[in-house]
Amino acid sequence: SQTIHQWPATLVQPVGSPLSLECTVEGTSNPNLYWYRQAAGRGLQLLFYSVGIGQISSEVPQNLSASRPQDRQFILSSKKLLLSDSGFYLCAWSQTGGSINQPQHFGDGTRLSIL
Amino acid sequence: RKEVEQDPGPFNVPEGATVAFNCTYSNSASQSFFWYRQDCRKEPKLLMSVYSSGNEDGRFTAQLNRASQYISLLIRDSKLSDSATYLCVVNPRNQGGKLIFGQGTELSVKP
Repeated sequence: SQTIHQWPATLVQPVGSPLSLECTVEGTSNPNLYWYRQAAGRGLQLLFYSVGIGQISSEVPQNLSASRPQDRQFILSSKKLLLSDSGFYLCAWSQTGGSINQPQHFGDGTRLSIL
Repeated sequence: RKEVEQDPGPFNVPEGATVAFNCTYSNSASQSFFWYRQDCRKEPKLLMSVYSSGNEDGRFTAQLNRASQYISLLIRDSKLSDSATYLCVVNPRNQGGKLIFGQGTELSVKP
């Protein structure tokens, strides 16, 4: 069966510091991968998605970036964090091809607080 | 207009009640639909897919009306453990598997 791992679970960082959040998927190949952010009391905002190694689509202009160095690895990064980057960051995966009904499955999330 | 709209609630209902959530979407070319459940401070989890003919999973029934661009979720015999936020989710056509999430409807089931 497929599993998704995301770490760390919580992170407290000062303004201006760098960020690296990692996500890996097991039990499947060539998944679609996604990064979302959920601010307190708000809905999910899609930040990046990837349909293959090295292929990244950005949804929202921001000081974040994403990379997919391996098929089942997705990394969210920032060179300098802002206060507004605080939130709950969620990685997700979905199957490619096959049925059009392709739900996404989420990792446990990273709760990021910027001080 | 938001791509996916839901009543944010909260819906406060007693145990055993039947509760219905509604959702509308703006992209008429949307091709797949889901309901997710999100517990407080946790990740969203897939509750059920929504099929054109409607579908049922135990106490949960999902309906889709493509003409009205409307999706619903009915929960019968509510349990305390049903308390959560329910997210309506739409997959627009030809957007690489992207999902558009509604803001969610909060449900609180009381004893």
